[in-house]
Amino acid sequence: AQSVTQLDSQVPVFEEAPVELRCNYSSSVSVYLFWYVQYPNQGLQLLLKYLSGSTLVKGINGFEAEFKKSETSFHLTKPSAHMSDAAEYFCAVSAADSSYKLIFGSGTRLLVRP
Amino acid sequence: DAGVTQSPTHLIKTRGQQVTLRCSPKSGHDTVSWYQQALGQGPQFIFQYYEEEERQRGNFPDRFSGHQFPNYSSELNVNALLLGDSALYLCASSLVPGSNSPLHFGNGTRLTVT
Repeated sequence: AQSVTQLDSQVPVFEEAPVELRCNYSSSVSVYLFWYVQYPNQGLQLLLKYLSGSTLVKGINGFEAEFKKSETSFHLTKPSAHMSDAAEYFCAVSAADSSYKLIFGSGTRLLVRP
Repeated sequence: DAGVTQSPTHLIKTRGQQVTLRCSPKSGHDTVSWYQQALGQGPQFIFQYYEEEERQRGNFPDRFSGHQFPNYSSELNVNALLLGDSALYLCASSLVPGSNSPLHFGNGTRLTVT
């Protein structure tokens, strides 16, 4: 079985400061990894995904994440935060076999201060 | 290009009642997944439908059932509602089954059980 831990429930940053949202996973098999963003009263939108290949993955809105297998981590980063980045961010994992389901973390709320 | 649409957006039911939620997938998608998102939590996988069959199921009781129609739209039914069923129910569609196929989420149905 897989599990995801998002270590911070809230991360406050100042506008234009760098952002890092942490995600660790647990799995006995190979995994696919995802980051989704949720704005208030909306569904989830895919930011980026790691399936295979390069461990540094670039996504939309200037976000990127690095898959570190030895550390079982997939932290999300952005060089400079914008006010519009304020939202809830979810890390998700799935087994890289015939599994169809995503296992989500509990989410990290990014607070951006002017 | 219409994305994933869900109806209704909000619903209030009484304990013991039954509810049906509806989902139309993104154009060109034939696979539908349902997730339950309790307040302050990440989404939890309920089940996935492909070719009108339930392909995989999460850890939810039999009170939760679903259906997929020939036009790929889907319904989620919950019987004998409990207070704990209050949540945001998210529908997601994808091009094909399999966890490497990115999910496109609707805005959800907010269910309140009183």
